[in-house]
Amino acid sequence: NAGVTQTPKFRVLKTGQSMTLLCAQDMNHEYMYWYRQDPGMGLRLIHYSVGEGTTAKGEVPDGYNVSRLKKQNFLLGLESAAPSQTSVYFCASRRQISSYEQYFGPGTRLTVT
Amino acid sequence: AQTVTQSQPEMSVQEAETVTLSCTYDTSESDYYLFWYKQPPSRQMILVIRQEAYKQQNATENRFSVNFQKAAKSFSLKISDSQLGDAAMYFCAYRSLRSTGNQFYFGTGTSLTVIP
Repeated sequence: NAGVTQTPKFRVLKTGQSMTLLCAQDMNHEYMYWYRQDPGMGLRLIHYSVGEGTTAKGEVPDGYNVSRLKKQNFLLGLESAAPSQTSVYFCASRRQISSYEQYFGPGTRLTVT
Repeated sequence: AQTVTQSQPEMSVQEAETVTLSCTYDTSESDYYLFWYKQPPSRQMILVIRQEAYKQQNATENRFSVNFQKAAKSFSLKISDSQLGDAAMYFCAYRSLRSTGNQFYFGTGTSLTVIP
C-alpha cells in the first residue's frame, strides 16, 4: 500500500514549456485534490475531483488543467508554464464518506525559469 | 469562502516545555471539522490532531491537545513536553461539510523551532 504518490519529485521548466504532474493513490479514494504551497501562503486549492471523470476548480485554477480518467489517478497539467507557477505542488486524496483527513503525497517541487 | 488565520509566523520553545499555536477561522457553517497538520523539512504533510465541531470535548493525542472555542472560532494547538522532532511547520485547516468536494482551507502556517 503506497498511499499517495507523485511523479516527478522535482522539475525545472523554462517559461512556455508544458508538463503534466501525476498523482496516484491506491486507497480507492473518491476525492482527489491538487494544491500549491508558496512561502507565507499556506496551501491553496488548484483543482479537485469528486470522482472518476469529474473535475472542478478550486481557489487558484488559472493556468492549470486537470483530468481524472481513472479513479486512482489525478493529473495536473501546465500548458504554458510561467515563473509565477514556481511552487511546491501537493496532491491529496480521501474517502467520500470519511470524516477524517486528507492523505497527502510527498510533493513536487517545480521551478519555472 | 472560509478563511483560516494563523497569526504567529514563527514560534520557538525550549525542549521539554509547552507551547501553544494559535488558529482562528471565519465561517457561517455550524458543522465542520478542524485539523492541525505538521510539515517537517521532508515536506510530508502529517496529521497531528482533528476536532469535530459538534463535539464539545477537546481532542487530545498524546502530547498534543487542542483548545476549541466554537463561539470564538478559535482552535489552538498545545504541544506539551516539546521534543526536537516537533520542529516543523504547523498548519491549521478547516474542512467544510457543505461545499462540493468538502474542501479544506489552510492557514499560512507557523514555523516551530525547538531549542535544545
